[in-house]
Amino acid sequence: GEDVEQSLFLSVREGDSSVINCTYTDSSSTYLYWYKQEPGAGLQLLTYIFSNMDMKQDQRLTVLLNKKDKHLSLRIADTQTGDSAIYFCAETRSNSGYALNFGKGTSLLVTP
Amino acid sequence: DAGVIQSPRHEVTEMGQEVTLRCKPISGHNSLFWYRQTMMRGLELLIYFNNNVPIDDSGMPEDRFSAKMPNASFSTLKIQPSEPRDSAVYFCASSRDKPSYEQYFGPGTRLTVT
Repeated sequence: GEDVEQSLFLSVREGDSSVINCTYTDSSSTYLYWYKQEPGAGLQLLTYIFSNMDMKQDQRLTVLLNKKDKHLSLRIADTQTGDSAIYFCAETRSNSGYALNFGKGTSLLVTP
Repeated sequence: DAGVIQSPRHEVTEMGQEVTLRCKPISGHNSLFWYRQTMMRGLELLIYFNNNVPIDDSGMPEDRFSAKMPNASFSTLKIQPSEPRDSAVYFCASSRDKPSYEQYFGPGTRLTVT
């Protein structure tokens, strides 16, 4: 099956920007999502982007999509300690009922 | 509006016992998904329903797993008999079909099979 890949760890200092990267292989991906999971909690939908867009901004979050390279990134501006969590990239395809195919997650650690 | 509700939040059971996990989707959502999260395999889709009908159950591990959705506001995932390798966090999610198919997740059920 197709894979969604993410780096496993990222450490940043409070106040810096964080950039979490994701690559996917299925060119039929229609929507791409970013979820946040805090320890012991469920998955919180942060934002999503439709495949015909190349950028979406929502407050401190900026999503960039390079469809040619199948590369997705999430930028968090002014990262705070409360942003420490695992971030999952997920794709959904029109031919699979929009079920989500997740990456393994990137663990973001924000240090004071 | 209440989010996706799952029960129980934690379940500890012995190998061989039957386990039933429950989910109430967000009102008005017509798709429901069951996912499993483990350290080794990450998040995997088990099954999803659209308008209460199972559409894709190819992720269900084996015949010991079954899922039902008798109406638009309730779904169950049953494991019988349970095995230690079934230990995981099971998430239920729901979505509307349009416009962006955003899925909202419940808090999960942490299952431990000893």
